Amino acid sequence: DIQMTQSPSSLSASVGDRVTITCQATYDITNSLNWYHQKPGTAPKLLIYDASNLETGVPSRFSGGGSGTDFTLTISSLQPEDFGTYFCQHYDNIPRYTFGQGTKLEIK
Amino acid sequence: QAHLVQSGAEFKRPGSSVRVSCKASRDTFSSSTISWVRQAPGQGLEWMGRIIPVLNRPNYAQKFQGRVTFTADEPARTLYMELTSLRSEDTAVYFCARIPNYHFGMDVWGQGTTIIVSS
Repeated sequence: DIQMTQSPSSLSASVGDRVTITCQATYDITNSLNWYHQKPGTAPKLLIYDASNLETGVPSRFSGGGSGTDFTLTISSLQPEDFGTYFCQHYDNIPRYTFGQGTKLEIK
Repeated sequence: QAHLVQSGAEFKRPGSSVRVSCKASRDTFSSSTISWVRQAPGQGLEWMGRIIPVLNRPNYAQKFQGRVTFTADEPARTLYMELTSLRSEDTAVYFCARIPNYHFGMDVWGQGTTIIVSS
């Protein structure tokens, strides 16, 4: 089974910082990768689908990149509301969805 | 506007079953797939499977095969997730989420249903 590994597991950054989270797959998944943001006590929110497509309504400071086995989620200028946990997710046509373990982002 | 509204929290004994409902808006029920995802306390997200509501056709994650059942009630526009033989490790928040017909991200989520399994 595929494994999705995120790094770092946690990080602390300041408002205005550029933040990058990575997600690595155990084998080539082309661009079958989504990103989510979850705040405590709420449902996850879709940010990016198919590795690099910004979901409608998501601020343009979020961007996704990569293909194959290595992917990134970048926040160009961190805002206070961006705290929480970020998850990557792979999908295939079996169908099967596999989440990364999450990256907890704290605002300094 | 697309939305999903889930049933309320439940407390269950080990060995029992639970059924969670997820009521969908009209466009969501008719033109998408619904996935079920759970999150144990302080843990990550775990995909349980999906259902195509208009076809009432489910697919289950291997881990839950034989213990979970997804159904769809088209007149009521409501999806159901039943989990049997509950154990303490099933304590979690259970979400339903929409996968639209033009990409494979989960773009609309229910508010979540807390299920606590304890003796």
